[in-house]
Amino acid sequence: KNQVEQSPQSLIILEGKNCTLQCNYTVSPFSNLRWYKQDTGRGPVSLTIMTFSENTKSNGRYTATLDADTKQSSLHITASQLSDSASYICVVTLDSSASKIIFGSGTRLSIRP
Amino acid sequence: DVKVTQSSRYLVKRTGEKVFLECVQDMDHENMFWYRQDPGLGLRLIYFSYDVKMKEKGDIPEGYSVSREKKERFSLILESASTNQTSMYLCASKPSDYEQYFGPGTRLTVT
Repeated sequence: KNQVEQSPQSLIILEGKNCTLQCNYTVSPFSNLRWYKQDTGRGPVSLTIMTFSENTKSNGRYTATLDADTKQSSLHITASQLSDSASYICVVTLDSSASKIIFGSGTRLSIRP
Repeated sequence: DVKVTQSSRYLVKRTGEKVFLECVQDMDHENMFWYRQDPGLGLRLIYFSYDVKMKEKGDIPEGYSVSREKKERFSLILESASTNQTSMYLCASKPSDYEQYFGPGTRLTVT
């Protein structure tokens, strides 16, 4: 069964600290993996996207890694800010077709001052 | 910038009412999607459309229908709203490559 699992479900860290969110997937055939940030009451916004051949992608303080062999991805946030408080969703696309997109249930990140 | 808009941010309806949720995108994307998002379940696909007047069922289409008469507009219809349809509804659009763009969401409460 095609699944995307994220851990932890929730995380609380102090402002300025770093953190890493995990995503494991059992999806085949794999096309690409994306990380989205979703603020409370808002729609998800794309942070990074990686294809099979890419193993790291950065977007400011956000760095995503992908190990296609172990089917694992991580999102590392450096020097966290209060505005990083949000849900982070890992999304895997099976192929380029429109419908075969699998969403993780997200990690809820809270940054404390 | 890609813009995906949804007709309402918050909506409260009574059981049995017919509900229309509208989504508009301004980037001429072929593909449009409706998802619902519930705590702990992630986003679940209700319906998607890959062209005008074309639609495909997603994972949870029961109790919903859709309409796409124009390329930029994709409507989700709850024929007879029920309390278990209380949820956050998210619309997304996607061009032929793999980036999906989401609207701000509609929080629907059915009482």
